[in-house]
Amino acid sequence: DGGITQSPKYLFRKEGQNVTLSCEQNLNHDAMYWYRQDPGQGLRLIYYSQIVNDFQKGDIAEGYSVSREKKESFPLTVTSAQKNPTAFYLCASSTRLAGEWYETQYFGPGTRLLVL
Amino acid sequence: EDQVTQSPEALRLQEGESSSLNCSYTVSGLRGLFWYRQDPGKGPEFLFTLYSAGEEKEKERLKATLTKKESFLHITAPKPEDSATYLCAVRKAAGNKLTFGGGTRVLVKP
Repeated sequence: DGGITQSPKYLFRKEGQNVTLSCEQNLNHDAMYWYRQDPGQGLRLIYYSQIVNDFQKGDIAEGYSVSREKKESFPLTVTSAQKNPTAFYLCASSTRLAGEWYETQYFGPGTRLLVL
Repeated sequence: EDQVTQSPEALRLQEGESSSLNCSYTVSGLRGLFWYRQDPGKGPEFLFTLYSAGEEKEKERLKATLTKKESFLHITAPKPEDSATYLCAVRKAAGNKLTFGGGTRVLVKP
């Protein structure tokens, strides 16, 4: 089955600790994205990557880092610099349509990060 | 600055009671308005993409429409399984970033 997987489903972070959230897709999509969702709020873009070995900051990149070494993988690290990391983290991916950049973003199941 | 506002924030319906959700936006050079459904604790599920004013799309009891300033998601004769949060997002001409609204939580009671 093609899709996007995120792991773990729940993650606990201790103060001062870096944690990494996994996102894998087998849809052969070119672009991948990380969003943060807080209760009662819409999704906010953290980072996105259109091709391997390249990525751009979104609207709330401070305290986060990413890598894109493989097309199918886009892990997100929440660093100790992120002072309010408790949120629901969503990974998405999309494909480039022929001739135009009108792709739809499809989402994974999410990872809930909690601070101990 | 691009803005997407969804209203109402929450909507309680009786089964069979049709209603509409609103998504108003201000964005320069719209290149797609997207509707997603999100169940609690899960990732958003894609519903529709609309590209130009006057466009309409339907899927089962849902119908999405688009004008130059807003989009509506009409729910006709809803069932309890239509209970979810509905998210609206816009993409502008430059780049492929989405700007999301805050969502509308819909509860359909039997």
